[in-house]
Amino acid sequence: DAKTTQPPSMDCAEGRAANLPCNHSTISGNEYVYWYRQIHSQGPQYIIHGLKNNETNEMASLIITEDRKSSTLILPHATLRDTAVYYCIVRPRGNTNAGKSTFGDGTTLTVKP
Amino acid sequence: DGGITQSPKYLFRKEGQNVTLSCEQNLNHDAMYWYRQDPGQGLRLIYYSQIVNDFQKGDIAEGYSVSREKKESFPLTVTSAQKNPTAFYLCASSMDDISLHFGNGTRLTVT
Repeated sequence: DAKTTQPPSMDCAEGRAANLPCNHSTISGNEYVYWYRQIHSQGPQYIIHGLKNNETNEMASLIITEDRKSSTLILPHATLRDTAVYYCIVRPRGNTNAGKSTFGDGTTLTVKP
Repeated sequence: DGGITQSPKYLFRKEGQNVTLSCEQNLNHDAMYWYRQDPGQGLRLIYYSQIVNDFQKGDIAEGYSVSREKKESFPLTVTSAQKNPTAFYLCASSMDDISLHFGNGTRLTVT
């Protein structure tokens, strides 16, 4: 899997957009970008994934640069419940690969009132 | 509701004892996984199983054992050979290669 780099921590004001960056400069052509988050003392939760196009779902948006060397997860209107550790993972698709994702240290996002 | 159940939430054992952590899923997922998480760190893969009666070692399998006799169940045994067993243990499952579904973990403390 390609190595990812995330800032260790970020703050965001409640109601504002939270923009979480991830650098994956060694990403291969067949590797996707996945985002998960982990609220304290719970299991991680899948958020979104993408290959090269921008993606949006009910939880977040994912913006991937044209060269695919970095991406940004956007939470459009952060709430206190979005306080969590956010993991950026890069890996190929394939039936044997989901569970072998590398969860690094992630970014601790703190949403403040 | 479908999901993954890990029990118990907290587990305490004396050093030298084996302990088995339970993981049950009713999602009808083929693949199941066990991870270990230490404070302030990410997840490390212990064992995984793609199908009943088959499982593979992950990155840190030493001192652990698993079984997969039923599709719904993937118990993890932490043996006395595991040098630092105190950790947060997470079980997950997947049907496709897109997303993992996690349980809420078991926090094991060995003294």
